[in-house]
This record gives sequence, C-alpha cells and structure tokens, in this order.
Amino acid sequence: DAGVIQSPRHEVTEMGQEVTLRCKPISGHDYLFWYRQTMMRGLELLIYFNNNVPIDDSGMPEDRFSAKMPNASFSTLKIQPSEPRDSAVYFCASSLNREHQPQHFGDGTRLSIL
Amino acid sequence: AQSVAQPEDQVNVAEGNPLTVKCTYSVSGNPYLFWYVQYPNRGLQFLLKYITGDNLVKGSYGFEAEFNKSQTSFHLKKPSALVSDSALYFCAVRLGGGATNKLIFGTGTLLAVQP
Repeated sequence: DAGVIQSPRHEVTEMGQEVTLRCKPISGHDYLFWYRQTMMRGLELLIYFNNNVPIDDSGMPEDRFSAKMPNASFSTLKIQPSEPRDSAVYFCASSLNREHQPQHFGDGTRLSIL
Repeated sequence: AQSVAQPEDQVNVAEGNPLTVKCTYSVSGNPYLFWYVQYPNRGLQFLLKYITGDNLVKGSYGFEAEFNKSQTSFHLKKPSALVSDSALYFCAVRLGGGATNKLIFGTGTLLAVQP
C-alpha cells in the first residue's frame, strides 16, 4: 500500500512568497494531521481534520497559515506571506477512525524561506 | 494537563549492548502511550503502543516497552542494539476520548549506537 505522500519534498522560496504544501493521505483513513518540526520547538501539531472537516486548528501559528481538505484524498497547507521563521520540516499524517490507531507519517516537506 | 517527558536528549550505547530510552507521562485517566522512530530525512514510523493489558509491549524491529503505572513510565528497550537502530525516538500520549487519535509528542531522544 502507498503511504502518506507529500509534495514537494523540498521548497526554497523568498520571504513574502506564497507557499503551498500538499498531502495525500492513505486511502480509507479518516483523520489527517499537519505537523511542523524544528530544532527549537520540536514536533508541533498545527491542525487536524476528521472526514475532511477541521476539528482543531489551535496549533496554527497565525493567520498567515491556512489548511484545507477539499476531499478525502487531498489536503493543502498554505503560508501567505511566508517568513524566514516559517522554515521547518512540515509533516502530514493520517490514521483510521478507530480508537488507538497509530498515525502514519509522510516523509515531510523541508521548507526554507530566505 | 497531559504530557510526556523524555529526560535524555541523547543516549549512547555500544552495538550488542541493551538499550533503554526513557519516557515518563502525566495523564488524567487511562494512559494510551506510543513510541515512534524517525530516521534522517524521513517521517515518524510507529513502533508500538500500550493501551491496556500486559505491561510489556512488543513492537517492530525487536523493540519492546515496559509500562509502569506506579512510576508513570513507558521506557523503550531492546536487548541488543544495532548500529542501524541509530535514530530519533519519540514517546507520545493520546489526548481526548473517542477516536480522536490526537497525540502529544515528547521532545525526542537521539539514540546513537557505536560499532
């Protein structure tokens, strides 16, 4: 089975530009999570969806960040405008809608804002 | 507040020796605990979980974890370390009821296995 697929794997862009990260969860998974990983702050949950509906976006750092899930097989995380402090590795994960199911992670997008 | 702590930033062990990566937790109610591993330039991979039952949980790649309720710990162990076990290890606790599956992760412990 294909795992969680994220694109692009690497993104380098200049400050002020719009950045869009993409995620395709595992087929049949109902939960989708977006995380950010940095050396300073570790692994942070940004937002998660259940059945394409955002459930908790309390981890989204500010209004420059937005996430959507238009259907069960696709989600985006957008940063507009981007800032150097947004540089991090962004992970998407998905899980089944049953108790205690593990989350399955993609290999992440390494984002560098110059 | 529910949380997990990984007191060691790094653990060094010689190949063939037993390894332990420590995790303590603070939860209200029953703890649901997980271990994940992250190799360089990869996402986190699930190793094992404790939900209920036997305090010794076996997982992938020969790893196991011991749940200790009195010490509120969930330490990851392996009887004989391999160089290929070198990676970043995360302990996590599940938050909320139902099927939320929302996790809070520890800060991670870097395991370095020397040949």
